[in-house]
Amino acid sequence: DAKTTQPPSMDCAEGRAANLPCNHSTISGNEYVYWYRQIHSQGPQYIIHGLKNNETNEMASLIITEDRKSSTLILPHATLRDTAVYYCIVRGDRGSTLGRLYFGRGTQLTVWP
Amino acid sequence: GAVVSQHPSRVICKSGTSVKIECRSLDFQATTMFWYRQFPKKSLMLMATSNEGSKATYEQGVEKDKFLINHASLTLSTLTVTSAHPEDSSFYICSALLAGSYNEQFFGPGTRLTVL
Repeated sequence: DAKTTQPPSMDCAEGRAANLPCNHSTISGNEYVYWYRQIHSQGPQYIIHGLKNNETNEMASLIITEDRKSSTLILPHATLRDTAVYYCIVRGDRGSTLGRLYFGRGTQLTVWP
Repeated sequence: GAVVSQHPSRVICKSGTSVKIECRSLDFQATTMFWYRQFPKKSLMLMATSNEGSKATYEQGVEKDKFLINHASLTLSTLTVTSAHPEDSSFYICSALLAGSYNEQFFGPGTRLTVL
């Protein structure tokens, strides 16, 4: 079962920052927060992941609260091509759960020109 | 990033026939692959974990005799939908696990199955 809660949809103007929230209040100490996105009729694409520290890569930044119960994915300068469904996933990386991803409903981000 | 391919990308078949979908990791070896299905406007649902050289592990509610998984090599997993029916029509997506410090998972482009 998905252990995350996300708003079903968000809008963002092109060129502005898109901030996508995610609640994961039942996250365990050894579980990571992963973000993927899926453009219509394609396979999901990895964006970023983190454990407790904030992370940044060429695609996005991930801000995780100190209590790890929520996080925010930030796309600093959204473009039309960022329109997609964004999934926040909590994932264990040990033992029998290694690699398994349980997708929630995600957030449909629409970037407007 | 690593590349995962799926074949075919689209398939239309008659009810009662079996359909095989291939998932390949093109530039890395994957001891673990995963199969998902996705209905229109719904999220991805994990069906099974495919382990090279051993039996697949199916998620609760997924019929193992209906969805046969074979992971015969480190770069290939196959999903066979046996005796397909219209309700099996869906988007099937595979992913491959790149073992390492982050255990990153790479997804294929998906296969659209339509059963008439």
